[in-house]
Amino acid sequence: NAGVTQTPKFRVLKTGQSMTLLCAQDMNHEYMYWYRQDPGMGLRLIHYSVGEGTTAKGEVPDGYNVSRLKKQNFLLGLESAAPSQTSVYFCASSFSGRVYYNEQFFGPGTRLTVL
Amino acid sequence: DQQVKQNSPSLSVQEGRISILNCDYTNSMFDYFLWYKKYPAEGPTFLISISSIKDKNEDGRFTVFLNKSAKHLSLHIVPSQPGDSAVYFCAAAEGDGAQKLVFGQGTRLTINP
Repeated sequence: NAGVTQTPKFRVLKTGQSMTLLCAQDMNHEYMYWYRQDPGMGLRLIHYSVGEGTTAKGEVPDGYNVSRLKKQNFLLGLESAAPSQTSVYFCASSFSGRVYYNEQFFGPGTRLTVL
Repeated sequence: DQQVKQNSPSLSVQEGRISILNCDYTNSMFDYFLWYKKYPAEGPTFLISISSIKDKNEDGRFTVFLNKSAKHLSLHIVPSQPGDSAVYFCAAAEGDGAQKLVFGQGTRLTINP
């Protein structure tokens, strides 16, 4: 099993450009999440999905959109990139929404720089 | 407002000694706490967790202690090994919701030979 994979690993954008980050998991997990990690801030939840076809806002959703058309994939889109969106983005998945004994599995991250 | 705080950005410990990482939280609705470990260029991996109905949970060399009255938890690693050098994140969650974890800033642990 590959677990959680993220594409691409690195990306440099110019302000105003758009892009989509792809997350894929092969564990048949229902729940998927997108986080961003900034220096000194820890990981912050952007959006999450509780199943195919569903999405919900997390702590810092502004400037991002997501889609979960297939159970195994969770896409994060930036319509008009801004320098404030320079960050490392992590995708995660979990079998269910129960937090007890049901940890999230993380992908390796995507390092995004917006100039 | 940071609901989960790790006030020590870094910690250096001698191999074989005890490592103690600390975490404080402000939201009294949190009832489940987790520690994740992160190596460079990798995603975080789950290490150990504790429910608010317990005050201690042990897994091999790792023990997490929870002090609800002080809203404080700590991770003890005994004995510390060079492979434990990583960034450790404390995280908290409320109940059985959609696992909306709130993370601390992380503590970089370095184990010296």
